Amino acid sequence: GAVVSQHPSWVICKSGTSVKIECRSLDFQATTMFWYRQFPKQSLMLMATSNEGSKATYEQGVEKDKFLINHASLTLSTLTVTSAHPEDSSFYICSASSVMGSNQPQHFGDGTRLSIL
Amino acid sequence: RKEVEQDPGPFNVPEGATVAFNCTYSNSASQSFFWYRQDCRKEPKLLMSVYSSGNEDGRFTAQLNRASQYISLLIRDSKLSDSATYLCVVKRAGNQFYFGTGTSLTVIP
Repeated sequence: GAVVSQHPSWVICKSGTSVKIECRSLDFQATTMFWYRQFPKQSLMLMATSNEGSKATYEQGVEKDKFLINHASLTLSTLTVTSAHPEDSSFYICSASSVMGSNQPQHFGDGTRLSIL
Repeated sequence: RKEVEQDPGPFNVPEGATVAFNCTYSNSASQSFFWYRQDCRKEPKLLMSVYSSGNEDGRFTAQLNRASQYISLLIRDSKLSDSATYLCVVKRAGNQFYFGTGTSLTVIP
């Protein structure tokens, strides 16, 4: 089945640090990648949608200058949390989807637990 | 109105029970439908796609009713390992996905 790899799995950083998370589709071309955030016991919250070669579309309330998304190839998207603060601590999950067929689901990476001290 | 609505539960059922979850969607142009499960502190994993004719995968049966715009998931002979949050997902054209808030299931010994 389709595999999405997300790296790193865990990050613990000091406040003010910028953190980069990578999301790779290993065996399919991901035309669209999605970035989510999830706080404990809450639902997934879509942060942004990125299509390869285009600027990401951010959801309302998500600061694009704070969460930089790059989707330069059909297999790689990155999310950079700039100048992270403790309130940015969360579970960040990427997913990828191919447009090859309207019935293609999203495939999720393992997620990244970000803790900002 | 939300794109996708699910009863959040929680559903607490004994082992061996049959449990059903329903999900409704608001946009009749929705094209594809899926059920995911999410375990605590893990990413969502695709459980099954939902086809118009209904489909079954072992103890799991998914149904789609386009006229009424709802999707269901039936779990027979519940196992302890079925305890998770079940997410209903609807896809529209242009790779747009809409998630329900999830239904929590706990299977009790």
